[in-house]
Amino acid sequence: ETGVTQTPRHLVMGMTNKKSLKCEQHLGHNAMYWYKQSAKKPLELMFVYNFKEQTENNSVPSRFSPECPNSSHLFLHLHTLQPEDSALYLCASSHPVGGAGTYEQYFGPGTRLTVT
Amino acid sequence: TQLLEQSPQFLSIQEGENLTVYCNSSSVFSSLQWYRQEPGEGPVLLVTVVTGGEVKKLKRLTFQFGDARKDSSLHITAAQPGDTGLYLCAGEQETSGSRLTFGEGTQLTVNP
Repeated sequence: ETGVTQTPRHLVMGMTNKKSLKCEQHLGHNAMYWYKQSAKKPLELMFVYNFKEQTENNSVPSRFSPECPNSSHLFLHLHTLQPEDSALYLCASSHPVGGAGTYEQYFGPGTRLTVT
Repeated sequence: TQLLEQSPQFLSIQEGENLTVYCNSSSVFSSLQWYRQEPGEGPVLLVTVVTGGEVKKLKRLTFQFGDARKDSSLHITAAQPGDTGLYLCAGEQETSGSRLTFGEGTQLTVNP
């Protein structure tokens, strides 16, 4: 299997549930990301991991908890979410390209999350 | 204030027409990327431009990076229904490391 995969593709959860989103990349990249995509809003960066170390937490509420056990896997643990957390959650991976070290990102298909 | 402004936000055209989408900022970027996202999928990278004034072509798509590296445009010639999607620009700044800043996107619909 190639590219970036995400599971599940769709998730409906209650506000008191605990669930986890999984992302796996088969591209040999060293950086992995979680984004939130809501209607009529730009992609919101949530977390960045480089070589398994979290390098950015973009003021994300603690009800979202990331985990990166190795460079190929990334999880987003969810608990006591709110209805406004309903969105498409996208995982991406990247690596520096070219002499300028540009980070081109490769996205998974996303998990459509609905919080009821 | 949105760092990257895309215009127009929505565009609906007929097959065969030409169109241009703009991505503007007051900030300088070391590179700028364009992505296309289709419903139910993640964004897919189309092109990366890194040099001011650079022009890249991808079949009927032409991408240009502004001379001052603050803006970019995407021109599509003879649009086809398969071009329908959300077009996103994303900029990388020298101090941002592996982080990209995304614009809000332009939703393009090409009608047959």
